[in-house]
Amino acid sequence: EAQVTQNPRYLITVTGKKLTVTCSQNMNHEYMSWYRQDPGLGLRQIYYSMNVEVTDKGDVPEGYKVSRKEKRNFPLILESPSPNQTSLYFCASRGTSGYNEQFFGPGTRLTVL
Amino acid sequence: QKEVEQNSGPLSVPEGAIASLNCTYSDRGSQSFFWYRQYSGKSPELIMFIYSNGDKEDGRFTAQLNKASQYVSLLIRDSQPSDSATYLCAVRGAGKSTFGDGTTLTVKP
Repeated sequence: EAQVTQNPRYLITVTGKKLTVTCSQNMNHEYMSWYRQDPGLGLRQIYYSMNVEVTDKGDVPEGYKVSRKEKRNFPLILESPSPNQTSLYFCASRGTSGYNEQFFGPGTRLTVL
Repeated sequence: QKEVEQNSGPLSVPEGAIASLNCTYSDRGSQSFFWYRQYSGKSPELIMFIYSNGDKEDGRFTAQLNKASQYVSLLIRDSQPSDSATYLCAVRGAGKSTFGDGTTLTVKP
């Protein structure tokens, strides 16, 4: 089954404790992206990657890091989480030729105390 | 000015009516346009996409694009209670996708 998986689905942590949210896709997609969603604010892009070792900032990259060492994986790293990073996070992937629907993972709900 | 703006909600329509959702965008270089439906706490799912000016129909859904006016809309005919959700407009440029804040639609039986 074609899918995007994220782990963990739910996470409660404390300020300053480094964490990583994993994202993996099995569709051989070149493009992967991270979004955060806050009430009333839609989806805001954090980082995206057009291919392995190619990443770029989205609209709200501050406080986040990403890496793309393998095509299927695109982890999101919070080196020193703060309460304003409490949010619902979605990973997504798509191909890069033609129209290409973007497939979303199930989401990770993060709470930083 | 936001890059992608959607009509403020919430929007409420009776069952069987037409729901009209609107979206404007600021980047004239935008190439493709998408409508997603999102149920509370769930991932967005694609409803429609459109590239060219004009109308595109898929079942009860019609997307309309006017690049000169930088406007894209979604019409839902014969609205059903199961259509109650938040609808997100997304605009894609070179590599980057920008979403609107969403419009919440409620279809009342």
